[in-house]
Amino acid sequence: GIQVEQSPPDLILQEGANSTLRCNFSDSVNNLQWFHQNPWGQLINLFYIPSGTKQNGRLSATTVATERYSLLYISSSQTTDSGVYFCAVERVYTGTASKLTFGTGTRLQVTL
Amino acid sequence: DAGITQSPRHKVTETGTPVTLRCHQTENHRYMYWYRQDPGHGLRLIHYSYGVKDTDKGEVSDGYSVSRSKTEDFLLTLESATSSQTSVYFCAISESGNTIYFGEGSWLTVV
Repeated sequence: GIQVEQSPPDLILQEGANSTLRCNFSDSVNNLQWFHQNPWGQLINLFYIPSGTKQNGRLSATTVATERYSLLYISSSQTTDSGVYFCAVERVYTGTASKLTFGTGTRLQVTL
Repeated sequence: DAGITQSPRHKVTETGTPVTLRCHQTENHRYMYWYRQDPGHGLRLIHYSYGVKDTDKGEVSDGYSVSRSKTEDFLLTLESATSSQTSVYFCAISESGNTIYFGEGSWLTVV
């Protein structure tokens, strides 16, 4: 099956700093999503981004499908950004169910 | 927030007993999923459904069964729980298959 690698595995930032999280995948995909899991375990969908660039407030994401990677940018980080960020992909998305393969995540801690 | 309710949220059960987790949605989304989350493995798909009474296996389906008798409900059953099924279970939903939304999780401990 497809392999998904996320880096770095752990990241500690001071509030206000910027960061870039990376997701590499081993095969071509046409379904890619980013999620944030907060310290209470809740999983929030951040982006559906199989290609191109999207922005939502302080967060933005870019997927370069031809080079098999995606980047998640967090600007002006806040303590509420703490948690684990997951990248998830699907090799062949048929427009029906999303059968995603998840990476093991990047754990982010934002300190005051 | 997507209207997804999982029950029970926490459960401790003994090895060999049957366990059913319930996922209820109010969004009328077509697709429903069960994932498990374990340290070092991220989230892995157990089963999914693409309509009432239409289900299929995911990556880690052994030891699990599912049923969907109504659009809004998706049940996950462990017929005979084992310690390796101690995990956090997440239900998820999607419409048209792209963006998926997760429930709040069910913590299951098998002793």
